[in-house]
Amino acid sequence: DVKVTQSSRYLVKRTGEKVFLECVQDMDHENMFWYRQDPGLGLRLIYFSYDVKMKEKGDIPEGYSVSREKKERFSLILESASTNQTSMYLCASSFPTGGGYGYTFGSGTRLTVV
Amino acid sequence: QKEVEQNSGPLSVPEGAIASLNCTYSDRGSQSFFWYRQYSGKSPELIMFIYSNGDKEDGRFTAQLNKASQYVSLLIRDSQPSDSATYLCAVNGGSGANNLFFGTGTRLTVIP
Repeated sequence: DVKVTQSSRYLVKRTGEKVFLECVQDMDHENMFWYRQDPGLGLRLIYFSYDVKMKEKGDIPEGYSVSREKKERFSLILESASTNQTSMYLCASSFPTGGGYGYTFGSGTRLTVV
Repeated sequence: QKEVEQNSGPLSVPEGAIASLNCTYSDRGSQSFFWYRQYSGKSPELIMFIYSNGDKEDGRFTAQLNKASQYVSLLIRDSQPSDSATYLCAVNGGSGANNLFFGTGTRLTVIP
């Protein structure tokens, strides 16, 4: 069964901490994405990557960075966590075919910053 | 900014009825269209995709696409309480773009 695995299901961090969210996929997908999802705002794209060591800003990159050292792993980094970063974070991956096959999502990480 | 619009609902239907979920999109170049189901507290899962004008059926689900009207819909026949979820419409960017653009979702409640 193909999977996108996010390292933590629930996470509680303190304001100012550096937070790492890890995502690993076993489908040999080139494309990987990080979204956050908040009630009433839908999915908002933070960063995405089409290849190893490549990254592109999405719609809301402020306060975040990413790392993609290997094809299967895409990490989201909150440099200094703030309470407004409390959210559900979703990782997704896909083939590079014009979005033709859709995305596969991980199970999500619900992050609470206190 | 490419836009995907959905009625946020909530949409309530009785068990056994047909639920109709609608989505419009702004980019005429879009070629691929997807419906995701998301249960509360869970991540989205792909349930249907459609590329060509017309209808595509898969079990109780039918996706309908009208590119001229920039409209895509999802029909759920014989709705079950287990269909209660938020349904997200997603559309790829035109010109071979890799990204999908998501609507904010329609919350469906099936009443037993």
